[in-house]
Amino acid sequence: GQNIDQPTEMTATEGAIVQINCTYQTSGFNGLFWYQQHAGEAPTFLSYNVLDGLEEKGRFSSFLSRSKGYSYLLLKELQMKDSASYLCAVTEGNYQLIWGAGTKLIIKP
Amino acid sequence: KAGVTQTPRYLIKTRGQQVTLSCSPISGHRSVSWYQQTPGQGLQFLFEYFSETQRNKGNFPGRFSGRQFSNSRSEMNVSTLELGDSALYLCASSADSLNTEAFFGQGTRLTVV
Repeated sequence: GQNIDQPTEMTATEGAIVQINCTYQTSGFNGLFWYQQHAGEAPTFLSYNVLDGLEEKGRFSSFLSRSKGYSYLLLKELQMKDSASYLCAVTEGNYQLIWGAGTKLIIKP
Repeated sequence: KAGVTQTPRYLIKTRGQQVTLSCSPISGHRSVSWYQQTPGQGLQFLFEYFSETQRNKGNFPGRFSGRQFSNSRSEMNVSTLELGDSALYLCASSADSLNTEAFFGQGTRLTVV
């Protein structure tokens, strides 16, 4: 069946580094997304991984291991504005997006 | 370039009524997907339309239906509303059929009383 798992909530300190993990079991795989969603707002695109390895984009990096069905989002130099939910999503063989429940990240001063 | 526009932003309906939500995708985008989001449940996929055809469908009852017009605008209809239908309904558009990046609208918050 289809399943995407990510922690429900994480807490980190301003200026620190945090890693949000995502594991998936889906029918086929075409790519993995990370989205950020602030409370009351629409999700916004962060990254898209198709091949194994690390993709770096400023303070945010995303890693993918297709053989392990595993990804993580790494956030460096955390800022208060990074407090949000982070959604992991996988496109299956039919290009349908399957979403995880999201990880609520709380940043403390 | 205008983003994805959803109307209305907020809606209050009573049980048993029906509701129609609208989504205008980014100009040139042909794929439109609909999601239901409730606290703690994440995004639940409703359906996806591409070039006026329903390409994928989630596990929702037949009370939930949708369509897409020739200009790629999409509507979602929910009939015989139930209290459990209260949620944020999000629409996302993609430029291609591969869903390489989805752009979301602000959503319609539906409250059923």
